[in-house]
Amino acid sequence: DQQVKQNSPSLSVQEGRISILNCDYTNSMFDYFLWYKKYPAEGPTFLISISSIKDKNEDGRFTVFLNKSAKHLSLHIVPSQPGDSAVYFCAASGNHGANNLFFGTGTRLTVIP
Amino acid sequence: ETGVTQTPRHLVMGMTNKKSLKCEQHLGHNAMYWYKQSAKKPLELMFVYNFKEQTENNSVPSRFSPECPNSSHLFLHLHTLQPEDSALYLCASSQDFETSGYNEQFFGPGTRLTVL
Repeated sequence: DQQVKQNSPSLSVQEGRISILNCDYTNSMFDYFLWYKKYPAEGPTFLISISSIKDKNEDGRFTVFLNKSAKHLSLHIVPSQPGDSAVYFCAASGNHGANNLFFGTGTRLTVIP
Repeated sequence: ETGVTQTPRHLVMGMTNKKSLKCEQHLGHNAMYWYKQSAKKPLELMFVYNFKEQTENNSVPSRFSPECPNSSHLFLHLHTLQPEDSALYLCASSQDFETSGYNEQFFGPGTRLTVL
């Protein structure tokens, strides 16, 4: 059973607008969450993370929000740029097997110029 | 070379062949991982090594055999694979969580494996 879910396989956004990518998880033991970006023919690249002691983490144009009660996190990209077009993966880990990351299936973001 | 490198980038093999995938990390990390990515599925963790010791084997069939001779190199030996093993195999590295308190993993570009 998938513990991390990204229910939207794709998202298209106009350049300059906000992109919002969503992720849900089922395991309440998860306490650390990450977003990765993947371009074709490359491995996933770490983008931003958040610990469960926070509800928001910001890095430039990228902000991750965590709602622990809803077991939901989201990645906001603003303003979106054509170079942001990629597949975005949400990942989570917990204290048990802390080195292990559980990934979602990814959301393909297309930013339209 | 910087980051995490993987060779070969593409591999086609028959079911009776033996081949190996190689991963090397140049980041000074002490944990290394093998993942499998099949179409429309999430990345599946296969193996974890911490300080050259295997700490996780995620119910992977014995036809996949990992080897970690040192903290910078990781191999995946393949033997009598099945067509359903065709996938993208990704290697990653990180600082050990117990040491660093966080576990951002850095990925290589992957090996695209096709089993005929």
